[in-house]
Amino acid sequence: KAGVTQTPRYLIKTRGQQVTLSCSPISGHRSVSWYQQTPGQGLQFLFEYFSETQRNKGNFPGRFSGRQFSNSRSEMNVSTLELGDSALYLCASSLDSGDVQYFGPGTRLTVT
Amino acid sequence: KQEVTQIPAALSVPEGENLVLNCSFTDSAIYNLQWFRQDPGKGLTSLLLIQSSQREQTSGRLNASLDKSSGRSTLYIAASQPGDSATYLCAVRPEFTKFYFGSGTKLNVKP
Repeated sequence: KAGVTQTPRYLIKTRGQQVTLSCSPISGHRSVSWYQQTPGQGLQFLFEYFSETQRNKGNFPGRFSGRQFSNSRSEMNVSTLELGDSALYLCASSLDSGDVQYFGPGTRLTVT
Repeated sequence: KQEVTQIPAALSVPEGENLVLNCSFTDSAIYNLQWFRQDPGKGLTSLLLIQSSQREQTSGRLNASLDKSSGRSTLYIAASQPGDSATYLCAVRPEFTKFYFGSGTKLNVKP
């Protein structure tokens, strides 16, 4: 069974631009969660989607948004990028909330 | 708000040694706790998931225990190998809400 895939793997953007990251969960998984990982703040939860509905949300500004499609694939969007948004963005999928989470390799975003 | 602490932040041991990694959390009302490993620049690999009703879980050389009342979990690694070198993270999940991650323990197993 294929694992969680994230595209693109690396991205360089300029301050003020917007970016969209994509996550394809393991087949049959309906829950997708997004995390931001930085050296200073560690792993921080962004949001979780289940069956196209946002179930939980972390403490991030409204510039961070997401959505989930009927096939469980999810996208995350960051508008008006700031230097501090430079991070590794990780996506995780699970059968349902509370089940074992399987992580993708991440998207490394650099904002210049 | 749930806070998760992992001690030590870094650990260096010779190959073959048994070791224990610690994770503590402030709110004992948890749904489950999961241990992960992360290799440099990569995503997380799930190691063990312990439900709140369980006391421990085992997988190969790994054993994780959970003591909800004291807000502690330990990950025991038997007969460590250089391939075990990675950062180990624990994540606590309150009732159907987001995961709270610790900052991790960076393990180096010397050949």
